[in-house]
Amino acid sequence: DSGVTQTPKHLITATGQRVTLRCSPRSGDLSVYWYQQSLDQGLQFLIQYYNGEERAKGNILERFSAQQFPDLHSELNLSSLELGDSALYFCASGQGDEKLFFGSGTQLSVL
Amino acid sequence: SQQGEEDPQALSIQEGENATMNCSYKTSINNLQWYRQNSGRGLVHLILIRSNEREKHSGRLRVTLDTSKKSSSLLITASRAADTASYFCATMKETSGSRLTFGEGTQLTVNP
Repeated sequence: DSGVTQTPKHLITATGQRVTLRCSPRSGDLSVYWYQQSLDQGLQFLIQYYNGEERAKGNILERFSAQQFPDLHSELNLSSLELGDSALYFCASGQGDEKLFFGSGTQLSVL
Repeated sequence: SQQGEEDPQALSIQEGENATMNCSYKTSINNLQWYRQNSGRGLVHLILIRSNEREKHSGRLRVTLDTSKKSSSLLITASRAADTASYFCATMKETSGSRLTFGEGTQLTVNP
């Protein structure tokens, strides 16, 4: 158990809809990272938050947004969903220049 | 595009044999890490090697880093069927803060 909790584990929705993925980081970790894993794109970094503030941005679409709350949990919002957004979304947490601890992921299926 | 490229994409060996996976990257790094992913599950950190280190060991794992060639290798000795998984290298670049950029992974199958 990595200590990182992601909910829900599975999400099935339709094109055009909006979903929210939730992540609770490991106790004491101030950084939260979101990654998208798909067969054709591999593991893509989306965004990083540190203690409530956006720290780095990767290949995150404008339809996607995220935030980190005062209790350090984070949410990734995906809107106007397309078939191509179907993927495994991972949250990870860490303490800076060290290893990351990954959650078990949310499998998103857009039908 | 991914920072790291891994070789081979797939590797199939017998239990007891050694498995070697290679990773190449393009820019200067702070550290390079290896992660393991069992089918469709979360990634698990295996080992971290810093840019000023050349070799590191952890149990049956041995990682080398050659910054002049911008490459790393992961050796798993005396492999077991339970080692079957995907293995990813990930780099933490000097200019990217603490984010990790992952390679495409090597699918290792260890046959009993």
